[in-house]
Amino acid sequence: AQSVTQLGSHVSVSEGALVLLRCNYSSSVPPYLFWYVQYPNQGLQLLLKYTSAATLVKGINGFEAEFKKSETSFHLTKPSAHMSDAAEYFCAVSDRKTSYDKVIFGPGTSLSVIP
Amino acid sequence: DTGVSQDPRHKITKRGQNVTFRCDPISEHNRLYWYRQTLGQGPEFLTYFQNEAQLEKSRLLSDRFSAERPKGSFSTLEIQRTEQGDSAMYLCASSTSRYEQYFGPGTRLTVT
Repeated sequence: AQSVTQLGSHVSVSEGALVLLRCNYSSSVPPYLFWYVQYPNQGLQLLLKYTSAATLVKGINGFEAEFKKSETSFHLTKPSAHMSDAAEYFCAVSDRKTSYDKVIFGPGTSLSVIP
Repeated sequence: DTGVSQDPRHKITKRGQNVTFRCDPISEHNRLYWYRQTLGQGPEFLTYFQNEAQLEKSRLLSDRFSAERPKGSFSTLEIQRTEQGDSAMYLCASSTSRYEQYFGPGTRLTVT
């Protein structure tokens, strides 16, 4: 069965510092991978997705993620944190073998940005 | 594009009562999903519709839960005989492909 692990339920960074949010997945074949962001009292918004094209994926708001098959990882990075980046971030996986659209979400990482 | 809307945004009910939530997807999105999110956790998949057909249903959904999507437009999620363990945020999402889901703001259910 597929699963997603996010290391660190809470991450704090200083404004202007590098953001690194970790995600590891468990799947028998390379899946589709996603990062979603959830701001307080709002729905989830897709940041970026990996669907078997380039392994380095660029998303919105300056975020990017790199798919590493050997490490079964899909870590999210941003070179310079902004106060507006404070939110909950979810890594998610979808099994490309099935025709269903079932997406499995990780437990989330809460990002705080310190002025 | 007005986004996915959900109604109500908050619902407080007493244990044993039935509740129904509504989701209006983005116009022309043929795929619709329901998720449940509890505090400190990621969303958990509940069920998926393609047009009016319910194609998958999670084992998390007990017999007390039912979802419909008549005519392939809006969807309803009903919970019968609510229990305190049903307290959660219920999220709806819609899409036209499997690569991006657009989420609504959610309905927060509190069972007292």
